[in-house]
Amino acid sequence: EIVLRQSPATLSLSPGERATLSCRASQSVASYLAWYQQKPGQAPRLLIYDASNRATGIPAKFSGSGSGTDFTLTISSLEPEDSAVYYCQQRRNWPLTFGGGTRVEIK
Amino acid sequence: EVQLLESGGGLVQPGGSLRLSCAASGFAFNNYAMSWVRQAPGKGLEWVSSISGSGLTTYYADSVKGRFTVSRDNSRDTLFLQMNSLRAEDTAVYYCAKDPRYEVKYGCRFDYWGLGTLVTVSS
Repeated sequence: EIVLRQSPATLSLSPGERATLSCRASQSVASYLAWYQQKPGQAPRLLIYDASNRATGIPAKFSGSGSGTDFTLTISSLEPEDSAVYYCQQRRNWPLTFGGGTRVEIK
Repeated sequence: EVQLLESGGGLVQPGGSLRLSCAASGFAFNNYAMSWVRQAPGKGLEWVSSISGSGLTTYYADSVKGRFTVSRDNSRDTLFLQMNSLRAEDTAVYYCAKDPRYEVKYGCRFDYWGLGTLVTVSS
């Protein structure tokens, strides 16, 4: 099973700042990595697929990069509505696995 | 507009069974793989099971293999999850999620999600 480790666990930043979230895989997942945003009481929403492709309707302030075992989700110019938990997920191997999540708090 | 509506959750005793349904609309259901993902209270996301558009190929997490069965009725645009021998650790919100592709052999990602249905396993 591929283990995904996300860091940091919590990120507390001010509006307008840039957030950098990390996802590290226990073995290569090539580019088969997705990022999701989940706000309290809501279902997750797909942000990025295949490491760097924005999903339909996702604003350009969300960007993804990386390949192999190290991936990054960047949120430029944070806004209050970006407060959420962000998860990475790999589809390189079965079973599909998610990272433990990074909580982004807006000060 | 893609909509996924789960139902069938509730309170069940350990060892009991439940059948979850997910009614799909707004897209050609038979053209897309579907999955179940769960989230225990206050915890992260856990993939449970996936099924191809045809229904012929299925995958399961080890934690549910042999106890849960995923199926679909493409004539009714509905996804199912039959859950048997339920345990306390199965307590979670269960989401159905759509994949943007038909097959599952290259894994799944989830481009649309339902709102989820809560399953509580407790005596």
